[in-house]
Amino acid sequence: DAGVIQSPRHEVTEMGQEVTLRCKPISGHNSLFWYRQTMMRGLELLIYFNNNVPIDDSGMPEDRFSAKMPNASFSTLKIQPSEPRDSAVYFCASSLEYRGGGNIQYFGAGTRLSVL
Amino acid sequence: DQQVKQNSPSLSVQEGRISILNCDYTNSMFDYFLWYKKYPAEGPTFLISISSIKDKNEDGRFTVFLNKSAKHLSLHIVPSQPGDSAVYFCAASSHITGANSKLTFGKGITLSVRP
Repeated sequence: DAGVIQSPRHEVTEMGQEVTLRCKPISGHNSLFWYRQTMMRGLELLIYFNNNVPIDDSGMPEDRFSAKMPNASFSTLKIQPSEPRDSAVYFCASSLEYRGGGNIQYFGAGTRLSVL
Repeated sequence: DQQVKQNSPSLSVQEGRISILNCDYTNSMFDYFLWYKKYPAEGPTFLISISSIKDKNEDGRFTVFLNKSAKHLSLHIVPSQPGDSAVYFCAASSHITGANSKLTFGKGITLSVRP
C-alpha cells in the first residue's frame, strides 16, 4: 500500500486566498484525521471522520476552516480566507477502528503551508 | 489543558548507550498509549504501543514501560543508534469514552544520538 497520500507537499499563498489541502487515506481504513503542527502548540487534532462522517470537529480553530470527506478514499481541508497565523504543517492520518482495538494511526508526509 | 506532557524538549545520548524518553498524562481515562517517531519533512511513524493492562511491552531495541499509578510512561532505546535521532511523540487514547480513535499527543522530545 502507498500509505496516506497528501497533496500538495508545499503551499505558499497570500493572505485572503483560499487554500485546499487533500488527503487519500490507506485503503480499507475507516477513520481519517486532520492535524496541525506548530512550534507553540505541537500536534493538534483538528477534526476526525469515522466512515466518512465527522465525529469530532472541536479542534477546528474557527469558521474559516472546513473539512469534507465525500467518500472513503478522499478528504479535503479548506481554509477560506487564509491568514498568516494559519502557517503550519498540516497532517492527515488514517486508521482502522474496530471495537476494543488499538488505534494506530498512519500519517501522511504533511503539507507545509505558508501564508504571506 | 495539556493532558499528555513531555516535559523535556530534548535529549542527547552517546551512541550505544540507553535513551530514556519520558511522558506523563493526567487523564485517568486513557488506557492505550503509543510512541511515534518523526524525521524532518516526514509524517510521524508508529513505533510501539502499550495497553493499560500491561506494564511493559518490548519490540527489539525499543521497550515501553507504563506506571499507571504514577500516570507515567517511558520509552527505552537500547542500544541507541545515530539513526534514532528524531522527534519522539507520546500519544494516548481512551476506549472507555468510546472515542477510541482519538489520540492526544504530547509536544515531542528531540533525541540526538551522538556517534
